[in-house]
Amino acid sequence: QVQLQESGPGLVKPSETLSLTCTVSGGSISSYFWSWIRQSPGKGLEWIAYVDYSGSTNYNPSLKSRVTLSVDTSKNQFSLNLSSVTAADTAVYYCARGYCSGTTCYPSWFDPWGQGTLVTVSS
Amino acid sequence: DIQMTQSPSSLSASVGDRVTITCRASRGISNSLAWYQQKPGKVPKLLLYTASRLQSGVPSRFSGSGSGTDYTLTISSLQPEDFATYYCQQSYNIPYTFGQGTKLEIK
Repeated sequence: QVQLQESGPGLVKPSETLSLTCTVSGGSISSYFWSWIRQSPGKGLEWIAYVDYSGSTNYNPSLKSRVTLSVDTSKNQFSLNLSSVTAADTAVYYCARGYCSGTTCYPSWFDPWGQGTLVTVSS
Repeated sequence: DIQMTQSPSSLSASVGDRVTITCRASRGISNSLAWYQQKPGKVPKLLLYTASRLQSGVPSRFSGSGSGTDYTLTISSLQPEDFATYYCQQSYNIPYTFGQGTKLEIK
């Protein structure tokens, strides 16, 4: 069974770059879509972006200017960089795989999810 | 962006009750809708997608319906493990957007 695990700093200073990595175990990162989603009390659940195994990406326009996603198939990992962070970027960050039903995989439904990692933006 | 509005925001019900949660999109989304369940301190879990397709392993007491802008999640007979927060999510347009959640509590 595929499992996802987020890793990265839990505290980031304002104006700096938030960097998180999601490690996929129990399955290959190839042939799937991989998303980052965040959850905060103020904004609820917010989809950030997805990347596929080839590195093709699609971003939330509201974050696009600050977000970069990448994938490392050799390590079975994908990563999120969010630049110029402010307190508004404080949230629990989840990585998730696009849901697959049989041989059909969707970038837009999310399952499974990682356990989430809380990132606080504060000086 | 397509705005997703859920109602009610919270709901009290008893074990065995039939419960319906509604999700309204700010424009038509052609059944491009999913429902998730999230328990406190836990990760969201996909229940249904494409408005009415049950994810593998999800009990059949969960069902979804709707069209155009209006969609519903129905739990036919509430079980103790169903008390949680439920979210809808559209995938018709990028950015994918979620509803604000409906908290289902024990009466």
